[in-house]
Amino acid sequence: EPEVTQTPSHQVTQMGQEVILRCVPISNHLYFYWYRQILGQKVEFLVSFYNNEISEKSEIFDDQFSVERPDGSNFTLKIRSTKLEDSAMYFCASSGGTGHTGELFFGEGSRLTVL
Amino acid sequence: AQSVTQLDSHVSVSEGTPVLLRCNYSSSYSPSLFWYVQHPNKGLQLLLKYTSAATLVKGINGFEAEFKKSETSFHLTKPSAHMSDAAEYFCVVSDLAGGSYIPTFGRGTSLIVHP
Repeated sequence: EPEVTQTPSHQVTQMGQEVILRCVPISNHLYFYWYRQILGQKVEFLVSFYNNEISEKSEIFDDQFSVERPDGSNFTLKIRSTKLEDSAMYFCASSGGTGHTGELFFGEGSRLTVL
Repeated sequence: AQSVTQLDSHVSVSEGTPVLLRCNYSSSYSPSLFWYVQHPNKGLQLLLKYTSAATLVKGINGFEAEFKKSETSFHLTKPSAHMSDAAEYFCVVSDLAGGSYIPTFGRGTSLIVHP
């Protein structure tokens, strides 16, 4: 069964460093998302991406964040200068194959720890 | 704007007894509704989904949910809890407001199962 894959599973970084989280969505999907979950808190929407551009973004997704789909398969989230409060689990999701219903298919997540 | 409210942050049951996790939603359009489960240190797994077909939806592991438009509810139930059901459960609403699906998560309900 096709699945969304994310790398790395866990990354530890120093405050101020740049981080890139990578995702490979399901191949025939058209919509791509990043969500984050700070430990013990709810899952929060960051950004959605469709047709090679951002379609929606939340207030969390400020200028420190960027997304791109560099090669037609990977979908990346970049945090330019990490802060302590960026420590969270980041989930990539994709949707929008045949008969799109809004169901998201999630990866296993990338845990980011900022020291 | 869509929103979802999970009425209980924690639900505690004994093994073998019924489970009820409550969810109310708000949506200006015909929504799709989902329940996801997250086991400790794991990703998000789809339990079941409602996408405007049958209002009583059956999912994996014996869970089911009923879409009640008049009550704007989508409560998750299971007749008999198992120890392996202990996890975090998220109710998610998604509609086409704005032209694209942006699923919104509830805060989550932690299900505790006692032997």
